[in-house]
Amino acid sequence: DVKVTQSSRYLVKRTGEKVFLECVQDMDHENMFWYRQDPGLGLRLIYFSYDVKMKEKGDIPEGYSVSREKKERFSLILESASTNQTSMYLCASSSSGQGAYEQYFGPGTRLTVT
Amino acid sequence: AQSVTQPDIHITVSEGASLELRCNYSYGATPYLFWYVQSPGQGLQLLLKYFSGDTLVQGIKGFEAEFKRSQSSFNLRKPSVHWSDAAEYFCVNNAGNNRKLIWGLGTSLAVNP
Repeated sequence: DVKVTQSSRYLVKRTGEKVFLECVQDMDHENMFWYRQDPGLGLRLIYFSYDVKMKEKGDIPEGYSVSREKKERFSLILESASTNQTSMYLCASSSSGQGAYEQYFGPGTRLTVT
Repeated sequence: AQSVTQPDIHITVSEGASLELRCNYSYGATPYLFWYVQSPGQGLQLLLKYFSGDTLVQGIKGFEAEFKRSQSSFNLRKPSVHWSDAAEYFCVNNAGNNRKLIWGLGTSLAVNP
């Protein structure tokens, strides 16, 4: 089975702190994604990566950065956390190439910024 | 712009009743369509997917969905709902781009005993 793991299920940080969210997948997938999920807004794409060291902005990249140094690992960084970044963060991965491939999700990290 | 619309924000059904969750997509070319489910406290799980071929696709947990190009729809159905089906359901369109999915806002399903 594809497995996507996230470093924390729950996280509480203070305003201004630098926050790292880690995601690891074990299926050798080329694509990895970071979303945030908020009530009434569904899933919104923050960043995605289609290869090591490659990244593209999603729909809401402001206030976030990402890092992908190894194929299996994709990190989301909040340089200076703010209260409006309190949310559920979901990591996903998918294969690439011809055709379409579903995304596999991790369990999520619920981040609270106080 | 490409979009996926789930017209029903919240639906309540009785256990044992049939269910249909609506989904409309806007992308004109052949879409790749998915339904995901998110149970309370759980991660997102793929229910079923449509790429091509038979327009009626079967998924896990007794769900099925029918692709109708003429209506730009991909509605999810289940003949008899169980209490454990209470969850959030998302319709998703790949739009031929592996790098990015277009998500509906979700339909929250409640099941009365």
